[in-house]
Amino acid sequence: EDQVTQSPEALRLQEGESSSLNCSYTVSGLRGLFWYRQDPGKGPEFLFTLYSAGEEKEKERLKATLTKKESFLHITAPKPEDSATYLCAVAQGGSEKLVFGKGTKLTVNP
Amino acid sequence: DTAVSQTPKYLVTQMGNDKSIKCEQNLGHDTMYWYKQDSKKFLKIMFSYNNKELIINETVPNRFSPKSPDKAHLNLHINSLELGDSAVYFCASSRGTVRNTIYFGEGSWLTVV
Repeated sequence: EDQVTQSPEALRLQEGESSSLNCSYTVSGLRGLFWYRQDPGKGPEFLFTLYSAGEEKEKERLKATLTKKESFLHITAPKPEDSATYLCAVAQGGSEKLVFGKGTKLTVNP
Repeated sequence: DTAVSQTPKYLVTQMGNDKSIKCEQNLGHDTMYWYKQDSKKFLKIMFSYNNKELIINETVPNRFSPKSPDKAHLNLHINSLELGDSAVYFCASSRGTVRNTIYFGEGSWLTVV
């Protein structure tokens, strides 16, 4: 049973076409929700951490939001260099494990 | 300077061989991890060490043995390699508990032939 589900699996956008990626989770006692970016042949690169419902974080064209059941990564006016796989991960109460979703592969065409 | 570095980056070896992957972090973190990313890109934890003490040991075959000589190093030794061990192995580190940000290395691509 997946604890972290990301959708869509793949997303293709035109440059400047804003959209959102979804991460839904079923863990209890959320200790933190993390967003990472992974480029081909590279390790995951940290983007954001969210700890409580209602929290929002922004960085350049990216904005992450959190509710009690899911998180969204909003991409505003994306550029080709935003193309990557975006990974969501959660840390749950009573565990030292970070559980990852399967990621959303984003492609931004010029 | 690379924060979490692992070597080798690429490793091609034959079934039955024994190999090691080394990892070092210069972030001053006290917790280190090994993650495995399979062909479907799914990232899953294998081991975690805190101050050289094993705190997470997922259902990993005992052919995999982590070793932490000090807080800045966590090596992964794999005995009797099998075809199914082919994957990308990521070392990572964090300060304290998993509630804090985990920083990943660049990965080690292991191919067993």
